[in-house]
Order: sequence, then structure tokens, then C-alpha cells
Amino acid sequence: GQQLNQSPQSMFIQEGEDVSMNCTSSSIFNTWLWYKQDPGEGPVLLIALYKAGELTSNGRLTAQFGITRKDSFLNISASIPSDVGIYFCAGRTGTASKLTFGTGTRLQVTL
Amino acid sequence: DAMVIQNPRYQVTQFGKPVTLSCSQTLNHNVMYWYQQKSSQAPKLLFHYYDKDFNNEADTPDNFQSRRPNTSFCFLDIRSPGLGDAAMYLCATSSHPWQEGIIQYFGAGTRLSVL
Repeated sequence: GQQLNQSPQSMFIQEGEDVSMNCTSSSIFNTWLWYKQDPGEGPVLLIALYKAGELTSNGRLTAQFGITRKDSFLNISASIPSDVGIYFCAGRTGTASKLTFGTGTRLQVTL
Repeated sequence: DAMVIQNPRYQVTQFGKPVTLSCSQTLNHNVMYWYQQKSSQAPKLLFHYYDKDFNNEADTPDNFQSRRPNTSFCFLDIRSPGLGDAAMYLCATSSHPWQEGIIQYFGAGTRLSVL
């Protein structure tokens, strides 16, 4: 089945630093979504990408849909303490009604 | 205002005692999903409803069942909970599988403990 590998698995950074994480697959996806999950809560959508090469920003967050359609990255600029959480990528293939989730990147921000 | 509401937020049950988790939505979305999530792992899809059509994942144990009596509500029934079923259960909805409609909106989850 499809797998989405996220890296890094976890990150410890200082407040103010920029962060980059990515998601790769051996399969082609036609939609990439990035979610953030706070402890004890459900995932919340950050950015949605629908076209190869698409670059989309949401405040300090920027995400790109890879040209090969097999990868995506998420950047966070000038991190702040509330960026702490687990970031999941999710992809959709074909016309499926469901998403494949990545393994997650846990982000810790120190003051 | 919450759009996907899960009740209860925390549920404690005994080993083998049936339990039902509920999810409601105010989005009028066609598709409703149930996920199981363990200790910071990725959410694992159990099944989903596209309108009234039920779609079970191949590796979902028979112990897990679901009901969707109407567009707004969906229930997860665990017939005989085992210790391994302790997890966060997430409900999500999406409007339809095309383009932006594939975006899933999640509830806050129900954390299930099995004693």
C-alpha cells in the first residue's frame, strides 16, 4: 500500500529559528495536505496543495507540492512556542475518498 | 464554533464492556470518517461513510462497527473492548472527494481508556 515518510521524526529548535520538514512517497499523489495536531486535540488543517509545483503560504507557513508529485515540504519561519505540536502530511491519490497520512514530525520549541 | 463534535471527550470502559462513541457535524458533509490514533502515531483509518455507503478498511477488526443514522451523526461501536483498543478516536468529515472537497475536518477526539 501507499506510504508517506516524513522527516525528520522530531525536531528541537529555539524560538525564532526557521523549520523545514518534508514528506516523500514512492507513489504519485494529486493532493497534499498539511495538518498540525496539538496534544489531546484533533488535527487542524494548515495548508492544502492541489497542483504539482504549487507553492502556498499561510502566515509564517509555506508549503510546496513537489514537481514529481511524490513529495511535499512545509517550512515554518521564525518559530514561536505555540508552533509546538505534531505535523502530519496527508496525500490523496486518484479519486479516493480517503487520505494517506505521514508518520508525523514532532516539533519542540525552546525559549 | 465547533463543526465536528465528538462526545464524550474522555471515555473509560471495562475490558469486554461495549462502548459507543459519537460524532456529529454541522457542515452537512457527505463523508464521515473514523480513525484510531495511538501515542503520537499517524491516525489509522478504520472506516468511512460516503452518504449511506459504508466502506470498511481491510484490516479493521470485526470488533469495531459503525452506524450513520443520518447525515449529521455517526457512531463508533466497540463490541468487546480489549486493552489494545485504548487510544484516541478521531472523527472527521469531508464534503466530497474532488479537489477542495477532500479536505478532512477533524473533531477534538475521544480518548478511550480500557480498564
